[in-house]
Amino acid sequence: AQSVTQPDIHITVSEGASLELRCNYSYGATPYLFWYVQSPGQGLQLLLKYFSGDTLVQGIKGFEAEFKRSQSSFNLRKPSVHWSDAAEYFCAVGTDKLIFGTGTRLQVFP
Amino acid sequence: DTGVSQDPRHKITKRGQNVTFRCDPISEHNRLYWYRQTLGQGPEFLTYFQNEAQLEKSRLLSDRFSAERPKGSFSTLEIQRTEQGDSAMYLCASSPTGFEQYFGPGTRLTVT
Repeated sequence: AQSVTQPDIHITVSEGASLELRCNYSYGATPYLFWYVQSPGQGLQLLLKYFSGDTLVQGIKGFEAEFKRSQSSFNLRKPSVHWSDAAEYFCAVGTDKLIFGTGTRLQVFP
Repeated sequence: DTGVSQDPRHKITKRGQNVTFRCDPISEHNRLYWYRQTLGQGPEFLTYFQNEAQLEKSRLLSDRFSAERPKGSFSTLEIQRTEQGDSAMYLCASSPTGFEQYFGPGTRLTVT
């Protein structure tokens, strides 16, 4: 079955600290992978995507993600978190019909 | 550059009433998607269109739900005889290729 798992429901970091959000997927074909961010009461904004090629992909707002086929993972990273990064983050896989994880809520302390 | 727009942003309705939501995709995006998101969950796929053709419908889309995209531009999602379980955020997205989707702000439905 196709699925996305985000093991961390809630993460708290201090401003300026590094961040890694985990994502594991199960997908039968070549995965097309995405990270989205959602602020409260808002829609989703695409942070970055992986289709093929270089396994380290750069996105907007200083985020990057690394695709590891052997671990079926696509973890999101940021070297230094800003207070404005506080939001809900969703990992997704698929084409047309996207399958989303349950999200990780990021809280940033000053 | 205008993004995906959705109307209304919020809708409160009584159980048993019909509601209709509208989505305007990014201009020239031929694919349009509907998702539903309940509290604390990720979005769940409902249906999608390529131009005016509805290509896939989720099992979540019961007989009370219908979606249209009559001219291949905007789309409507109608829910008939609403139930409290329909309370959710309804998200629309569009894509030029099917490989990356751009989401609108959503319509939050509350059924009382």
